[in-house]
Amino acid sequence: DQQVKQNSPSLSVQEGRISILNCDYTNSMFDYFLWYKKYPAEGPTFLISISSIKDKNEDGRFTVFLNKSAKHLSLHIVPSQPGDSAVYFCAASKSGDNNDMRFGAGTRLTVKP
Amino acid sequence: DAGITQSPRHKVTETGTPVTLRCHQTENHRYMYWYRQDPGHGLRLIHYSYGVKDTDKGEVSDGYSVSRSKTEDFLLTLESATSSQTSVYFCAISGNRGLNTEAFFGQGTRLTVV
Repeated sequence: DQQVKQNSPSLSVQEGRISILNCDYTNSMFDYFLWYKKYPAEGPTFLISISSIKDKNEDGRFTVFLNKSAKHLSLHIVPSQPGDSAVYFCAASKSGDNNDMRFGAGTRLTVKP
Repeated sequence: DAGITQSPRHKVTETGTPVTLRCHQTENHRYMYWYRQDPGHGLRLIHYSYGVKDTDKGEVSDGYSVSRSKTEDFLLTLESATSSQTSVYFCAISGNRGLNTEAFFGQGTRLTVV
C-alpha cells in the first residue's frame, strides 16, 4: 500500500518562478516528514524536514508546509533555478518506528532557463 | 559528502544465481539501511541494521538477507536472484536517532537479473 503519494510524476517551471511539489499521506501516525532530492546516477540527498508539531519550515529558498488535517505537505522552491532540476522524493516516518520511513514515488522537476 | 561506498555500481546476473551487494561507511553511524528504487514506487526499505549483528526486516524483505559483522559494512544478499529483483539498490546510513533525522545515501547499485 502506498502510504505516501506524489501524484504529479513531473513538473516544469521557468527559472525564477516558484516550484510547488505536493505530497499526500494516508497514515495519521506519521509525525516526521522529509524531502530528498536526487540527481541522475546519484543517491538521494536530504533537503529539508518538518516535524508534525510545526506547520512550516524554511531553509533558504526551500520551504515545506504541513497540513495535518488534510494529510498533505508541499515543498516550495523560490526562486527556482536550473540546478534544482532533479527528482524530489517526499518521505514520512512515525515516532517509535524510526526505521520504517515511507517514500513517495517522486516528482521530476525541470527548471527551464 | 558522507563516506558511503557501494559496490559494485553495476551488475548483470542470471536468474537463480546468488548476488551480494556491499555497503561500506566511514562515518561510524549506528544505523544502516538497504532500499530498492523502482519506477512508480519510490524507495522501499528492504532491511536495516541498528548495530553489529542486529538487523531487521523492512517493507520488501522477501528474497533478501543481510549481514553486518562490522560497524562499517552492511551486506545485502539475494540468495537466488529473480527478474523481479532487477532494480537500483541504495544503501543509507543515519545516526543514533535512526531515520527521524537526515539519512545519507550511497550512489546506488544498478542490478539487472536476466
